Amino acid sequence: GAVVSQHPSRVICKSGTSVKIECRSLDFQATTMFWYRQFPKKSLMLMATSNEGSKATYEQGVEKDKFLINHASLTLSTLTVTSAHPEDSSFYICSATPSGNTQYFGPGTRLTVL
Amino acid sequence: GNSVTQMEGPVTLSEEAFLTINCTYTATGYPSLFWYVQYPGEGLQLLLKATKADDKGSNKGFEATYRKETTSFHLEKGSVQVSDSAVYFCALSPDDYKLSFGAGTTVTVRA
Repeated sequence: GAVVSQHPSRVICKSGTSVKIECRSLDFQATTMFWYRQFPKKSLMLMATSNEGSKATYEQGVEKDKFLINHASLTLSTLTVTSAHPEDSSFYICSATPSGNTQYFGPGTRLTVL
Repeated sequence: GNSVTQMEGPVTLSEEAFLTINCTYTATGYPSLFWYVQYPGEGLQLLLKATKADDKGSNKGFEATYRKETTSFHLEKGSVQVSDSAVYFCALSPDDYKLSFGAGTTVTVRA
């Protein structure tokens, strides 16, 4: 149980375009979802926390207008990277929690911006 | 602020060898400490946790003890298997909600 999926697993896009990444909790309802970014050989960096039906809370230094997060249902959160540039290339990981404190992680999405 | 430092990898071991991955942390107060494991192609999974000083977390033969005096939470396993090959992340949480991760240590176990 407690499976989280992400789609797509890999995406390549041109500079200036927008990319949407989906995060789904498959067998539970997620009151809270988290979005992380991971650079090569670096730790996961928390970008934002989203609660269903409310605006996401962004960590310091994360541009909310560039990384749009929507948590419209208890099983789906989306991260849209707007006007992507090569420096946005990274591994994006989401996690979801049904309640309490255990986070269940998705397998990640590799974004490459050309 | 909160931060986690773990030993750099990669670590390569033979089967049945002893594994230690060092992890130290900086935090205000008394955070909960975690080890997560990421197998190839999969998401991070919670391996074990400890919520207060001197607690020992254990799972799948892995152990880690919350050492407040040395601000450490080193991961150990006495006899590794090929199936233990993965990336291991040390993490802390001051509120059992948000997580701060270390950089991850890649472990490869050879048959």
